[in-house]
Amino acid sequence: QEQLVQSGAEVKKPGASVKVSCKASVITFSNYDINWVRQAPGQGLEWVAGVNPYTSSTVYAQKFQDRVTVTWDTSITTAYMEMSSLTSEDTAVYYCARGLRRGGGNVYYFDPWGQGTLVTVSS
Amino acid sequence: SFVLTQPPSVSVSPGQTARITCSGEVLAKRYAYWYQQKSGQAPVLVIHEDNKRPSGIPDRFSGSSSETVATLTISGTQVDDEADYYCYSTGFISDQRIFGGGTKLTVL
Repeated sequence: QEQLVQSGAEVKKPGASVKVSCKASVITFSNYDINWVRQAPGQGLEWVAGVNPYTSSTVYAQKFQDRVTVTWDTSITTAYMEMSSLTSEDTAVYYCARGLRRGGGNVYYFDPWGQGTLVTVSS
Repeated sequence: SFVLTQPPSVSVSPGQTARITCSGEVLAKRYAYWYQQKSGQAPVLVIHEDNKRPSGIPDRFSGSSSETVATLTISGTQVDDEADYYCYSTGFISDQRIFGGGTKLTVL
């Protein structure tokens, strides 16, 4: 069964960058992506970006495309999300989640999810 | 851009039926998905492709969709079902992956 295990909590100062990792236990990814979704304290879920380990193609929510980079390291089956120019509004739990695609893209959803990584931005 | 709208809260007594709606124009042409998130935990998929239940999800959870409104129904609601529920769907290009604002289900 697929499992996603994320790196530990981070505390960063405003203006800094953070890099969060997500190790996947299954290495067959031809129709899977790894996505990143964040949740600010007391708020809802917000999709950030995704990467396809098979093709290395990436896709970003418009809001984040200028300061987020998602990558995949095949040798250790690990995805990374790096966010730069952090502000207090980036304080959130960041989840990775497998994106499952079927039907030529007509079906696309996230399952399962990692345990989440709390990123705190504070001076 | 597209938006998915959910009621902020729904309350139900144990054993009753809870219904949570999600409305958005995209739902007329795209599937709805539902996630359950209990306090301090990661979201869990409870319904995919409008009405399909993943293995391990109790059959009291069901989904339906008609035109621009998707509905998550929990029959015989249990105290353990108290959680936030999020609908989700996709747009017509790959950078459109949107969640509804979430609905807090209270069972009391």
